[in-house]
Amino acid sequence: DTEVTQTPKHLVMGMTNKKSLKCEQHMGHRAMYWYKQKAKKPPELMFVYSYEKLSINESVPSRFSPECPNSSLLNLHLHALQPEDSALYLCASSPGTGGRNTIYFGEGSWLTVV
Amino acid sequence: AQSVTQLGSHVSVSEGALVLLRCNYSSSVPPYLFWYVQYPNQGLQLLLKYTTGATLVKGINGFEAEFKKSETSFHLTKPSAHMSDAAEYFCAVSDGDDYKLSFGAGTTVTVRA
Repeated sequence: DTEVTQTPKHLVMGMTNKKSLKCEQHMGHRAMYWYKQKAKKPPELMFVYSYEKLSINESVPSRFSPECPNSSLLNLHLHALQPEDSALYLCASSPGTGGRNTIYFGEGSWLTVV
Repeated sequence: AQSVTQLGSHVSVSEGALVLLRCNYSSSVPPYLFWYVQYPNQGLQLLLKYTTGATLVKGINGFEAEFKKSETSFHLTKPSAHMSDAAEYFCAVSDGDDYKLSFGAGTTVTVRA
């Protein structure tokens, strides 16, 4: 069982809505990630938080806004999304951000933009 | 920069047969290598990883992989496929202090009864 918990599992939102995806881990990990995954494709990195500070933004549109309230929580705020943003959004965590650290993924949140 | 090539986007095997998924990587420094599995409508689960040490790595669910530096490969095997092995498999590489996992395109495994 994954120790990275994501809510909600499914979200349908209109293009003018504001919603949030939530992620929680209790493994004491210091790095947390958001990935986006389209069907039959590998995950694509969106954001990296290291020690609660945003360290990497992979040129993600501003309609996606990450937030890390504390070391265990990670949010992704969504506003004015487009239908092409429909995808599986995966939260992940790792002990650190060095290459040897294993990244552990949550079950994902399925987002549909209508 | 590192990259991963998974040979074969789809592999079909009979139940009880050998599963072999191929992964080749490129990296300018010694790599860290991972195999993840994704069951339908789920997130990614770590199968196994290579960081340093023994080149034959054993993972969960009877899978193992061998790191071959001379061939820049990290192929995944399982001696006897089970119906529950039907899933998408991703090979991934990272190196040094890099934060980023580079994923292969994935291989879909189907298991025939």
